[in-house]
Amino acid sequence: AQRVTQPEKLLSVFKGAPVELKCNYSYSGSPELFWYVQYSRQRLQLLLRHISRESIKGFTADLNKGETSFHLKKPFAQEEDSAMYYCALRAYGGSQGNLIFGKGTKLSVKP
Amino acid sequence: SAVISQKPSRDICQRGTSLTIQCQVDSQVTMMFWYRQQPGQSLTLIATANQGSEATYESGFVIDKFPISRPNLTFSTLTVSNMSPEDSSIYLCSGAGAPLGTQYFGPGTRLLVL
Repeated sequence: AQRVTQPEKLLSVFKGAPVELKCNYSYSGSPELFWYVQYSRQRLQLLLRHISRESIKGFTADLNKGETSFHLKKPFAQEEDSAMYYCALRAYGGSQGNLIFGKGTKLSVKP
Repeated sequence: SAVISQKPSRDICQRGTSLTIQCQVDSQVTMMFWYRQQPGQSLTLIATANQGSEATYESGFVIDKFPISRPNLTFSTLTVSNMSPEDSSIYLCSGAGAPLGTQYFGPGTRLLVL
């Protein structure tokens, strides 16, 4: 079964500290993975996708097929990074193109 | 990118009634989806809205409870029928320009059923 697991509901760090939001997935095929972010009172928006191999707002994520992980990392957290972060897997088949989401991790960056 | 709007943004409804949520996209999108996010839970796909034909529902969701329309490439509605308190949730509309394209999300409709 296709599944995305984010083990941490809440992650709290101090400004300037490194941050890693964990994401593991279960999928029998070749996965396409995403990180979405939702800032307070804003809509869900795409942060990055693994096929782009880009850094957005200082965040990076590397797909590790051996560990079935797609952890989100940032070397120096900023207060404005505080938000809900969702890892998502694109599924195929009956609902082509839809996303399967993890439960999300709330990142709190303290001053 | 696509900008997606939803109406209403929130509502409080009585048990047994129905509510229709509208989703408007500012550009044509190939794929449109409806998700539900229950309190403390992740987003769960309800169905894929298909233009001019019946929606494709995920396991656990049925057309009688969640009828969906999509008359064109930029508009869709989701109706939550015969509501109960368990239907209290955030309902999100999503669109993508292609099956493998980036998915954009609406702001969500926050529904509370008393």
